[in-house]
Amino acid sequence: QVQLQESGPGLVKPSETLSLTCTVSGGSVSSGSYYWSWIRQSPGKGLEWIGYIYYSGSTNYNPSLKSRVTISVDTSKNQFSLKLSSVTAADTAVYYCARTVGATTGYFQHWGQGTLVTVSS
Amino acid sequence: EIVLTQSPGTLSLSPGERATLSCRASQSVSSSYLAWYQQKPGQAPRLLIYGASSRATGIPDRFSGSGSGTDFTLTISRLEPEDFAVYYCQQYGNSPGTFGQGTKLEIK
Repeated sequence: QVQLQESGPGLVKPSETLSLTCTVSGGSVSSGSYYWSWIRQSPGKGLEWIGYIYYSGSTNYNPSLKSRVTISVDTSKNQFSLKLSSVTAADTAVYYCARTVGATTGYFQHWGQGTLVTVSS
Repeated sequence: EIVLTQSPGTLSLSPGERATLSCRASQSVSSSYLAWYQQKPGQAPRLLIYGASSRATGIPDRFSGSGSGTDFTLTISRLEPEDFAVYYCQQYGNSPGTFGQGTKLEIK
């Protein structure tokens, strides 16, 4: 059974860059059958898809965040990562990583437990 | 982007009753690429249904999905105590994928 675990700082200052890593176990990020996504959930905006990466490195981002988002993959560590730059209080949310099936955006078959990131000085 | 509107916002029912949750899209969802998720407090969402009507692995058959185009429904035939949670629909036929705002299913 695949498991995903998010890790990273729980507190980020405004204007800085949020960085999170998702470690995958019980499966491989190099599998050509899946994409690997980041999703966030906040009281104000609900669930929001941020973007995904394929093992080859190809990415697809939500246009609303595209200018600030970078998702990368490290197949040697079986991890993928999220960087979100120039954060504001509006980026405070629980961030999830998920194994994703299908192109376009895909649906989210397995999720990590989520990690709360607060943007505050 | 496609806006998904879920109704009702809150549904109050008793165990053993039938629950019908609605998800309406602002435009047609390509190829019925619609999923449903269940979320309990403090937990990540769990995939229930994909492709509008296909149950995910391990999901009991009391959960069923139907619909096409702009109107989709999640039905829980006989509510169990563990089914009381928040339910979200998500479309993935058009980028960006989007979620509904959720329906809270509470015990009456």
